[in-house]
Amino acid sequence: KAGVTQTPRYLIKTRGQQVTLSCSPISGHRSVSWYQQTPGQGLQFLFEYFSETQRNKGNFPGRFSGRQFSNSRSEMNVSTLELGDSALYLCASSLVPSGSNEQFFGPGTRLTVL
Amino acid sequence: KNQVEQSPQSLIILEGKNCTLQCNYTVSPFSNLRWYKQDTGRGPVSLTIMTFSENTKSNGRYTATLDADTKQSSLHITASQLSDSASYICVVRAQSGGYNKLIFGAGTRLAVHP
Repeated sequence: KAGVTQTPRYLIKTRGQQVTLSCSPISGHRSVSWYQQTPGQGLQFLFEYFSETQRNKGNFPGRFSGRQFSNSRSEMNVSTLELGDSALYLCASSLVPSGSNEQFFGPGTRLTVL
Repeated sequence: KNQVEQSPQSLIILEGKNCTLQCNYTVSPFSNLRWYKQDTGRGPVSLTIMTFSENTKSNGRYTATLDADTKQSSLHITASQLSDSASYICVVRAQSGGYNKLIFGAGTRLAVHP
């Protein structure tokens, strides 16, 4: 069974640009969560999608948005990039959002904003 | 405020030695606690999950303990190997009714030297 895949793996952008990251969950998983990981802050929750609906949202500005498609694939968009947005963006999938269902993480997209 | 604190922040040990990582949490209502291992440049991988009624759970050379009264968990690594060099992240799920949130610790960075 293929794991969670994220594309692209690496990305370099400049301030003010926008970026779209993609995540394909494990087959059969319907919940996708996004996280930002930086050396200083650790893992921080961005948002969670289930059945094409945002179920949960972290404390990030509106420049960060996402969506989920009918095949459970998800995209995350960051507009008007800032230097502080440089981070590893991780996507995790699970069967359903709640309970003890394990989240399986993808390898991440390393975003560098210059 | 829901918080998860891990200690130490970083740790260096020699190959073959044992070590113990700590996780203290103030999370309510507690649902479960999970330890993840994250190799550099990769997404986290679940090692163990523990619910309120579980005190100890092992996964090979990894043994996690949970004291729900003191709200402490530990991850013990036995006979460390070079491949154990990674970040170890403690994650606590708070869940009750419609409320469902994951709280992440900042992680402990472990380096195993030959």
